[in-house]
Amino acid sequence: NAGVTQTPKFRVLKTGQSMTLLCAQDMNHEYMYWYRQDPGMGLRLIHYSVGEGTTAKGEVPDGYNVSRLKKQNFLLGLESAAPSQTSVYFCASSYSRVEQYFGPGTRLTVT
Amino acid sequence: SQQGEEDPQALSIQEGENATMNCSYKTSINNLQWYRQNSGRGLVHLILIRSNEREKHSGRLRVTLDTSKKSSSLLITASRAADTASYFCATDAYGNTPLVFGKGTRLSVIA
Repeated sequence: NAGVTQTPKFRVLKTGQSMTLLCAQDMNHEYMYWYRQDPGMGLRLIHYSVGEGTTAKGEVPDGYNVSRLKKQNFLLGLESAAPSQTSVYFCASSYSRVEQYFGPGTRLTVT
Repeated sequence: SQQGEEDPQALSIQEGENATMNCSYKTSINNLQWYRQNSGRGLVHLILIRSNEREKHSGRLRVTLDTSKKSSSLLITASRAADTASYFCATDAYGNTPLVFGKGTRLSVIA
């Protein structure tokens, strides 16, 4: 099993550009999450999903949108990137509300 | 806002010594989890302790939970250079709120 995979691994955007980060899991997990990690801030939850077709806001949702059209995929969109969105983005999935499995991360730089 | 706060922020020890990290939280929890993050990688789940448990062991890891003080500690015995990583606590509160991660403790084990 590949576990949780993230695409792309690195990306550089100019301010105002848009992009979509893809997260895929092959563990048949119901729950999926998007986090951002910034130095000194720990992990902050952006959006999450408790099942196919559902999404919910986390701690820092502004400037991001998500979709969960298929159970195995969770997409994170930036419609108009800003320098404040420079961060490392992690996707995670879980079977229930306990142990989360994390992807390797996407390093995004917005100039 | 962050639920769990780790202490210390950074810890440097010699190989073979024990490492202790603490986590304090604010509200009642269902369970508390510890994760490890190696540099440039995603988080990996280490251990979960439920609110009705006081101590749990897994290999060289020992976790304690004091719900009256709203605190937990992670002890790594006989540390190795490979234990060098950041360690995060995550709290699962009652209700439908997702896990909340602390800011982490950076552990350096010097060979």
